[in-house]
Amino acid sequence: NAGVTQTPKFQVLKTGQSMTLQCAQDMNHEYMSWYRQDPGMGLRLIHYSVGAGITDQGEVPNGYNVSRSTTEDFPLRLLSAAPSQTSVYFCASSSRDRGNQPQHFGDGTRLSIL
Amino acid sequence: KQEVTQIPAALSVPEGENLVLNCSFTDSAIYNLQWFRQDPGKGLTSLLLIQSSQREQTSGRLNASLDKSSGRSTLYIAASQPGDSATYLCALDDKIIFGKGTRLHILP
Repeated sequence: NAGVTQTPKFQVLKTGQSMTLQCAQDMNHEYMSWYRQDPGMGLRLIHYSVGAGITDQGEVPNGYNVSRSTTEDFPLRLLSAAPSQTSVYFCASSSRDRGNQPQHFGDGTRLSIL
Repeated sequence: KQEVTQIPAALSVPEGENLVLNCSFTDSAIYNLQWFRQDPGKGLTSLLLIQSSQREQTSGRLNASLDKSSGRSTLYIAASQPGDSATYLCALDDKIIFGKGTRLHILP
């Protein structure tokens, strides 16, 4: 029973480098989302998707790209990493039955940008 | 814009006590409210989900209430245990809007 799987768990990048944070879920959930968690700021929504081929911006989308080619996967791309993107990133998924189903979270990716 | 506030930011109580965590929100037009638990260095675990048509949900020693008219939810923890020590977050709707959490420490 894997649930939501995020890889890698830890990553250190240099400013300007690019990378992709991976997120996969095996629950056939339509809805997937990415959050970042920063001290004193709580969790903030970056991007979300309500199904394959559909994505939309959240509260803090700048500097991040997403795509949703399959139901299972929702990768988050940093095209040119900046120190301000140092954070813990969480991926979540839920059934599309809005209001009735809880969100399931991965264990997070801890990202440091030097 | 919906805002979610959790008070207190931190709480320490002796083992065995009952306690209440608070969550308030500014827009009563919500679909659901979830309470999560987060252990240090870990992800979030959903504890309880209250749909907008419900007033409360219970799971074991946990009871969550929802009063949309006043924009408030409470999480009641009965007979607290050291294992309950964690950060508790409330969140609204499917594009989850989070409060900043209450860090709970149960003293043995």
